[in-house]
Amino acid sequence: DQQVKQNSPSLSVQEGRISILNCDYTNSMFDYFLWYKKYPAEGPTFLISISSIKDKNEDGRFTVFLNKSAKHLSLHIVPSQPGDSTVYFCAAGEYGNKLVFGAGTILRVKS
Amino acid sequence: DAGVIQSPRHEVTEMGQEVTLRCKPISGHDYLFWYRQTMMRGLELLIYFNNNVPIDDSGMPEDRFSAKMPNASFSTLKIQPSEPRDSAVYFCASSFRAGFNYGYTFGSGTRLTVV
Repeated sequence: DQQVKQNSPSLSVQEGRISILNCDYTNSMFDYFLWYKKYPAEGPTFLISISSIKDKNEDGRFTVFLNKSAKHLSLHIVPSQPGDSTVYFCAAGEYGNKLVFGAGTILRVKS
Repeated sequence: DAGVIQSPRHEVTEMGQEVTLRCKPISGHDYLFWYRQTMMRGLELLIYFNNNVPIDDSGMPEDRFSAKMPNASFSTLKIQPSEPRDSAVYFCASSFRAGFNYGYTFGSGTRLTVV
């Protein structure tokens, strides 16, 4: 049973435009949510997080939105840059417990 | 701190052989996680430890898989006997307080190929 789903395996965006990566979850007990990015031959690296008490968190070009009623999470990248091209994983968990990851979305930013 | 260190980076082995993957977590982190990445299932959690004690091993696929954490600075994931379907990238990650706020720090992974 996949508790965290990234339904789009890939996304292609023009440089300078907005990239929107989506994630859905099924477990209403999840308290916090994170996005990781992963480059080839490297481990995933933390990008941005949000707790369930907030609906938005911003860090530079990256903004994460949380819609608890819809159990939906999204990552917005504005403006998108070619260096953002890589795999993005969303993850969710309960405080003090393990993280569950989605299957990942490959983002390609075209210049 | 050098981060989470995994060895080896690549491992090619024949079916039926024993494989041991190693991990050194970040000093001071009290949680350690073993994940496996495949194309079909993405990142799946195999097992995690808190203060060297296994907490949840429900993700370990079969009895062929075992993991130990003899001390706070070392963990192993062993597959015996290995099978071609075990081929994947295995990641170790460590965390303070189970990833509260900042998530986990991952190692660079071990790419395992079983032929």
